[in-house]
Amino acid sequence: DQQVKQNSPSLSVQEGRISILNCDYTNSMFDYFLWYKKYPAEGPTFLISISSIKDKNEDGRFTVFLNKSAKHLSLHIVPSQPGDSAVYFCAASDPNYGGATNKLIFGTGTLLAVQP
Amino acid sequence: EAGVTQFPSHSVIEKGQTVTLRCDPISGHDNLYWYRRVMGKEIKFLLHFVKESKQDESGMPNNRFLAERTGGTYSTLKVQPAELEDSGVYFCASSQDGRLGNTIYFGEGSWLTVV
Repeated sequence: DQQVKQNSPSLSVQEGRISILNCDYTNSMFDYFLWYKKYPAEGPTFLISISSIKDKNEDGRFTVFLNKSAKHLSLHIVPSQPGDSAVYFCAASDPNYGGATNKLIFGTGTLLAVQP
Repeated sequence: EAGVTQFPSHSVIEKGQTVTLRCDPISGHDNLYWYRRVMGKEIKFLLHFVKESKQDESGMPNNRFLAERTGGTYSTLKVQPAELEDSGVYFCASSQDGRLGNTIYFGEGSWLTVV
């Protein structure tokens, strides 16, 4: 039973426009969320994170929004660039892991293609 | 500084054979994790070492999988005997400590194909 869901397997966006990647979760105990980016033949790399005490976190072109009541988070990339083309994974920190954790529960990923 | 390195990058073996994957974490990282991604699905946690001790191995699929981390440095993940459903990408990751938000760094993965 998947606790972190990314329902869009792929997304295509024009260069310069906004990319919005969505993620839903089922466990209301999740309190820390992360986005990872993955290029082909490479491992996932950390992009941005958000704690459940916040509803927004911004880092340059990347902003993550958290809606706890809807159990939904989204990653906004503005403006999108061709180099952003990658698979984006949403992840939540496992709340049952004794407090301090890098045990992550991932979604299935969304392939973002930014068209020049 | 070298990142997390994994070997082999690709492996094709027959069902019933044995494969051993190796991971060298970033120097000084006590925490080492193994994750797996099967057939375009989600990346799933397998286990977590703190130094040489297994902190959590709740994600290991079954007793055909054995992970070790002798001396708290590199780690190996052995699959014996391999089955078709073991095919996937095995990622190793490391972090300096296990505190929430402490960045976890992933290796490039070891692609395993069981035929």
